[in-house]
Parts: sequence; structure tokens; C-alpha cells
Amino acid sequence: LAKTTQPISMDSYEGQEVNITCSHNNIATNDYITWYQQFPSQGPRFIIQGYKTKVTNEVASLFIPADRKSSTLSLPRVSLSDTAVYYCLVGDEGGKLIFGQGTELSVKP
Amino acid sequence: DTGVSQDPRHKITKRGQNVTFRCDPISEHNRLYWYRQTLGQGPEFLTYFQNEAQLEKSRLLSDRFSAERPKGSFSTLEIQRTEQGDSAMYLCASSLLGAGRYGYTFGSGTRLTVV
Repeated sequence: LAKTTQPISMDSYEGQEVNITCSHNNIATNDYITWYQQFPSQGPRFIIQGYKTKVTNEVASLFIPADRKSSTLSLPRVSLSDTAVYYCLVGDEGGKLIFGQGTELSVKP
Repeated sequence: DTGVSQDPRHKITKRGQNVTFRCDPISEHNRLYWYRQTLGQGPEFLTYFQNEAQLEKSRLLSDRFSAERPKGSFSTLEIQRTEQGDSAMYLCASSLLGAGRYGYTFGSGTRLTVV
């Protein structure tokens, strides 16, 4: 399974755009890049998934360069409620989710 | 359907006691997963079921841990002879076979404290 590396923590202010980069140098051809969000005392929840180029949904955008060795989760205009831990996961569609340490995002007023 | 339910939400037990947690998945989901999460770490995979069959167990799941999903619906996770190192959040998730990596729904977890 491809290992991921992401910053342990990040700080931001309300209204700013936040970009969290994840490195996955050993990603396999069949692997997808999936991001989950976890609030305190809750289980993780799906944010976005992509295979290549750019994916956008109502919550976030995911940018994946051509070599797929990294990806960037972009959260537009964050609010206090976006304070959470964000996990970057890599694996094939049928594989179980394997979580790393995640990035703890703190949004300040 | 109210999502994935876990019971109890919190459990405090003395070292050496046995504990059992329950997970009720989304009714149509045929896959069920158990994870363990300690403070500051991401969830660690423990085991998963497809219907009533336990298809994979992590090396983290020692002999003191056992999980069942007898009728392919709810699941239980039992820890025998608890140790302080078992203190963690135990998360359950369910998904539909074929739904992919975005189709997991997690419960809010059972927080176990072993004193």
C-alpha cells in the first residue's frame, strides 16, 4: 500500500483558502486518492476523491499532477467549522481505508 | 436510516475486565469495518466483514480481541482481559460492496478507558 505524507498541522484564518498537500511517491496505477475529514468525537467522513487532474465538489477541490506523486486538497474560504483533521488516503477502489496521521487544521477568527 | 450506530458511546472499565461493543451499520450495507484510534493518531484498521464472513484481521487484533457479525447485520467487538493499552476510540464503519472508497459511513465511536 502506498504510504502518504502530509503536514501534521496547519493554521488558517476565516475566509482564507487552505491548501493541504499530500505526498504519495509510491502510488500504484490502480490507486485512487481519497480525502476524509474528522471532527472531534466523530468518525471520519468522505470529502473528495480523484484519480488524476482536478476534481471539484461543493466542499473542496482536489488537484493531482500528471505524475500523481502528490495531491493538494483545497478548501475555499474556510470557516471556524472547518477546524478538523484531514486525512489523505491512497488505495485501489476495492481496498480498505488505511489512515495516516492526518493534518490537524485549525481555523481562527 | 440514521447512519451507523455504536453502543455504548463511552465505557470505563477496570483492567482485566471484559468489554463488548456493538455496531449497527446502515441496513443495506454488506461490509462492516472496525477501527481503533488513539489520541493524535489516525484510525487503525482492525478487521472487516462482508455479510457474516470475517474476511480480514489485522495483526493489531490480538487473541484477546474477537469480532462477530452473526447474521450479517449488527456486529460486536469483544475485548477480553482489558489492558491500559486498549484505551482508545473504537470506530465502526459500513459500506456497500462496490461503492468504493467514498462509500464508507463511520459511526461516532465507542471511547474505552481502562483504569
